[in-house]
Amino acid sequence: LAKTTQPISMDSYEGQEVNITCSHNNIATNDYITWYQQFPSQGPRFIIQGYKTKVTNEVASLFIPADRKSSTLSLPRVSLSDTAVYYCLVTTLTFGKGTMLLVSP
Amino acid sequence: EAEVAQSPRYKITEKSQAVAFWCDPISGHATLYWYRQILGQGPELLVQFQDESVVDDSQLPKDRFSAERLKGVDSTLKIQPAELGDSAMYLCASSLTGLAGDKETQYFGPGTRLLVL
Repeated sequence: LAKTTQPISMDSYEGQEVNITCSHNNIATNDYITWYQQFPSQGPRFIIQGYKTKVTNEVASLFIPADRKSSTLSLPRVSLSDTAVYYCLVTTLTFGKGTMLLVSP
Repeated sequence: EAEVAQSPRYKITEKSQAVAFWCDPISGHATLYWYRQILGQGPELLVQFQDESVVDDSQLPKDRFSAERLKGVDSTLKIQPAELGDSAMYLCASSLTGLAGDKETQYFGPGTRLLVL
């Protein structure tokens, strides 16, 4: 199974763009990259998914280079309510420790 | 918007007691998952059902944990006897078919927080 590596934590301020990078060197050809967001005492919530290049939805963008060995979740103009843990998944059923994003005023 | 329901939301029990958690997935979702999440860690898959059949229970501690989904709809996860190390959040998730592999989105419930004293 492909293993993912993310920063343990990140800090940002309201209104800034936040980029969280995930490393997945052993990604398989048929693996998709999926990001989830989790608030305290809640279940994870799907944010975005991609296979290659760039994917954008109303919440975030996902950038995937050609070799697919990493991916970057981009959150534009974060707000306090974006404070959460963000998980990068390559194999759907395998969560790592995630990245704790703290957004300050 | 349809949601995954779980109950109870919180459970406090003493070690050696039995506990049970209930999950009702989104209507029409064939695949149901139970995860355990220890504080500060990501969710860890315990068991996956496809309709009423177990697809993967390789990480389920079968000496004390059991899970069933008898009619292929709602599901129950049981721990007997509970141990101190079982204190965690137990999350249920569902997905539409479970056949699309990594591409299929999972929808999570709010979880049941278990404290074993």
